[in-house]
Amino acid sequence: EAQVTQNPRYLITVTGKKLTVTCSQNMNHEYMSWYRQDPGLGLRQIYYSMNVEVTDKGDVPEGYKVSRKEKRNFPLILESPSPNQTSLYFCASSLQGKGTEAFFGQGTRLTVV
Amino acid sequence: GENVEQHPSTLSVQEGDSAVIKCTYSDSASNYFPWYKQELGKGPQLIIDIRSNVGEKKDQRIAVTLNKTAKHFSLHITETQPEDSAVYFCAANVGSKAGSYQLTFGKGTKLSVIP
Repeated sequence: EAQVTQNPRYLITVTGKKLTVTCSQNMNHEYMSWYRQDPGLGLRQIYYSMNVEVTDKGDVPEGYKVSRKEKRNFPLILESPSPNQTSLYFCASSLQGKGTEAFFGQGTRLTVV
Repeated sequence: GENVEQHPSTLSVQEGDSAVIKCTYSDSASNYFPWYKQELGKGPQLIIDIRSNVGEKKDQRIAVTLNKTAKHFSLHITETQPEDSAVYFCAANVGSKAGSYQLTFGKGTKLSVIP
């Protein structure tokens, strides 16, 4: 089954404790991205990757890091999480090129206390 | 960059009635406009999309219209059913960013279909 898998689904952590949210897709998609969803703000892109070793900032990249060492994986790293990073996070992937469907993962609900 | 405005933020309709959600975009180079449905506890799923070379597209009870001159596009759901209740997001690609595929989303519309 074609899917985007995120882990964990739920995470509560403390301020400053480094964490990684994993994302994996099995569709051989070149393009992957991370979004955060906050009430009243919709989906905002954090980082995206057009292919292996190619990443770029989205609209809200501060406080986040990503890496793309393999085509299927695109982890999101919070080196020193802060309470304002409490949010619902989604990973998505799509075939390269404009105008193709983005497939979303199930989401990771992160709480930073 | 691209800015996408979506209205209304909430919408309640009686079962069987139609629902319309409207979006405007700012980047004249945008050429791809998808609509996503997000059910509670799930990630967004594509329900329909339209490219700038057409003005309308229909898939059963769902249709999308695009007016490139006015830079707005709309989602129309006819004969609404309770299972249509969800949050709907419009999006537009960042057409001016050469070689990339980046979507800018509207803030979402919470649709409630009342039985």
